[in-house]
Amino acid sequence: QKEVEQNSGPLSVPEGAIASLNCTYSDRGSQSFFWYRQYSGKSPELIMFIYSNGDKEDGRFTAQLNKASQYVSLLIRDSQPSDSATYLCAVNPRDAGGTSYGKLTFGQGTILTVHP
Amino acid sequence: DAGVTQSPTHLIKTRGQHVTLRCSPISGHKSVSWYQQVLGQGPQFIFQYYEKEERGRGNFPDRFSARQFPNYSSELNVNALLLGDSALYLCASSLTGTAYEQYFGPGTRLTVT
Repeated sequence: QKEVEQNSGPLSVPEGAIASLNCTYSDRGSQSFFWYRQYSGKSPELIMFIYSNGDKEDGRFTAQLNKASQYVSLLIRDSQPSDSATYLCAVNPRDAGGTSYGKLTFGQGTILTVHP
Repeated sequence: DAGVTQSPTHLIKTRGQHVTLRCSPISGHKSVSWYQQVLGQGPQFIFQYYEKEERGRGNFPDRFSARQFPNYSSELNVNALLLGDSALYLCASSLTGTAYEQYFGPGTRLTVT
């Protein structure tokens, strides 16, 4: 079982629609969860992070976390063609000693295409 | 302020050779992490350094090594290159070494032939 799993897509949505991206993780000790966006040929850029169960909103983006189900999602409202990119889910795991440092474990990413 | 810088941008090496990749963090940031991203996959953690000490190491062979200098810049060294080492190597900078505020550099694209 992969530590972080995402549907690789591609996910195609029309402009103005809600895009829903999903991610599951295996390490129950993970404390914080991140969504990065990566345009083709560029480096990842942080969209938002979440560490408490429930929803966290930032502009058109909403992250949702359910630790009991080990599930994280990202909703993009009013999707725009400029949102077309690969979306990477990442978790911050704890090591064998229970320490959390700066390591991020990424999923393989979901390719999102927003068509006009 | 300048962001994270990495050099070189692109690099072509032959199997068996050695390579050194360089990273300069954002001014004031004391932690640097290295990731390898193979085409079509997410980044994979290689190392983290904080205040010149190794804080974490990923599941990579001993051919991979790194260090952090007193000015907090960092080098990633890879010996005995294999074709499978071809990837985008990303450096991420953070102020305190936590996962919450890591900023990625543009990466170095390494091709091994």
